[in-house]
Amino acid sequence: GAGVSQSPSNKVTEKGKDVELRCDPISGHTALYWYRQSLGQGLEFLIYFQGNSAPDKSGLPSDRFSAERTGGSVSTLTIQRTQQEDSAVYLCASSPGLAIDPQYFGPGTRLTVL
Amino acid sequence: GDSVTQMEGPVTLSEEAFLTINCTYTATGYPSLFWYVQYPGEGLQLLLKATKADDKGSNKGFEATYRKETTSFHLEKGSVQVSDSAVYFCALSDSSGGTSYGKLTFGQGTILTVHP
Repeated sequence: GAGVSQSPSNKVTEKGKDVELRCDPISGHTALYWYRQSLGQGLEFLIYFQGNSAPDKSGLPSDRFSAERTGGSVSTLTIQRTQQEDSAVYLCASSPGLAIDPQYFGPGTRLTVL
Repeated sequence: GDSVTQMEGPVTLSEEAFLTINCTYTATGYPSLFWYVQYPGEGLQLLLKATKADDKGSNKGFEATYRKETTSFHLEKGSVQVSDSAVYFCALSDSSGGTSYGKLTFGQGTILTVHP
């Protein structure tokens, strides 16, 4: 079946602009996660969705970052007033939802803030 | 909080050599443990997992055993191939209380290069 898809695959933006990153999880997976992969920080958790609610937003680095999920499916991560330190690969993953379940990752969106 | 520590890389081996990548963890609950692999230009893929103490995960000739007494989950392969060249990440998801969700905590990654 189809895996996790993300769009766009690459995004170049100017400092101060807003960006939206999209994730389509595997059909039927109730849990959805956003992570960020950068050279200096490795892989960092950002936010977790169970269905449409986000019980854990503890990894969002600032209030410029927000995310939503609709219909228990597609999720959008929004970064407002982008800064150069936001440059990274943003990864989305989905899973059936339990801690014992592996997460399946999308190919990522590479964000470059000039 | 939870943490994962992997051996420093990069690791460079000749084809058919034995591979070990060390991974130790700290967790407050009862974690599930995973190895993920990222091949050049590709996304993260699950390599293997173990969900309780003494479980052995295996896939593609790779193995790792969940050792609770040493809080370790070392990755091994008896004979590596050039195609195994990739970045390997050890990760845990904590499940205190039984059914909590699986936020992953990752190690820093180990770059493996295998030469012919």
